[in-house]
Amino acid sequence: GDSVTQMEGPVTLSEEAFLTINCTYTATGYPSLFWYVQYPGEGLQLLLKATKADDKGSNKGFEATYRKETTSFHLEKGSVQVSDSAVYFCALSEIAGGGADGLTFGKGTHLIIQP
Amino acid sequence: ETGVTQTPRHLVMGMTNKKSLKCEQHLGHNAMYWYKQSAKKPLELMFVYSLEERVENNSVPSRFSPECPNSSHLFLHLHTLQPEDSALYLCASSQGGAGYGYTFGSGTRLTVV
Repeated sequence: GDSVTQMEGPVTLSEEAFLTINCTYTATGYPSLFWYVQYPGEGLQLLLKATKADDKGSNKGFEATYRKETTSFHLEKGSVQVSDSAVYFCALSEIAGGGADGLTFGKGTHLIIQP
Repeated sequence: ETGVTQTPRHLVMGMTNKKSLKCEQHLGHNAMYWYKQSAKKPLELMFVYSLEERVENNSVPSRFSPECPNSSHLFLHLHTLQPEDSALYLCASSQGGAGYGYTFGSGTRLTVV
């Protein structure tokens, strides 16, 4: 079956540091890939997505590139802020659209940014 | 506000109680989902409804019973739960399938005592 593997953390960085959170996946088909973010006491919010190989999703300074050859979708940000402290989830969907289906999530990576 | 509203935000219930969680979306989405989020575990998909029909039930115990009376509302009825059912229950909606991304509610924090 499908699965998503990501570093669990916590990952602790200083403000303005460079961030990478690794995510790799296994899927039987050609999935769409996502990063979601969860702030304390909240539900998950879609951060960015990519639907085909070599696509780059970006939002709020975060980026991730769909790498089919390495089955990866690593999240990066050039300069993190304290407000980026949250839990980040990598996820995939086998069906790009049409009909209901569920997302497969990784366990989440807790990111802590220190001033 | 994300457009997906869950009530209550917090719920404490005994193992013999019956309670219901409510989810409401006014985004015009045609699919709704229940997920369970437990500490140190991946999010677990519980139920999927598309156009008000249940599409998927990932072997969830019968003490959880979903109901989707229309495309804007989703309920999760709870009865005779166990302490291990304590978790954050998240509702999400999507338009045209999860490949377009979900919109999540803020969740209901459930504690079973």
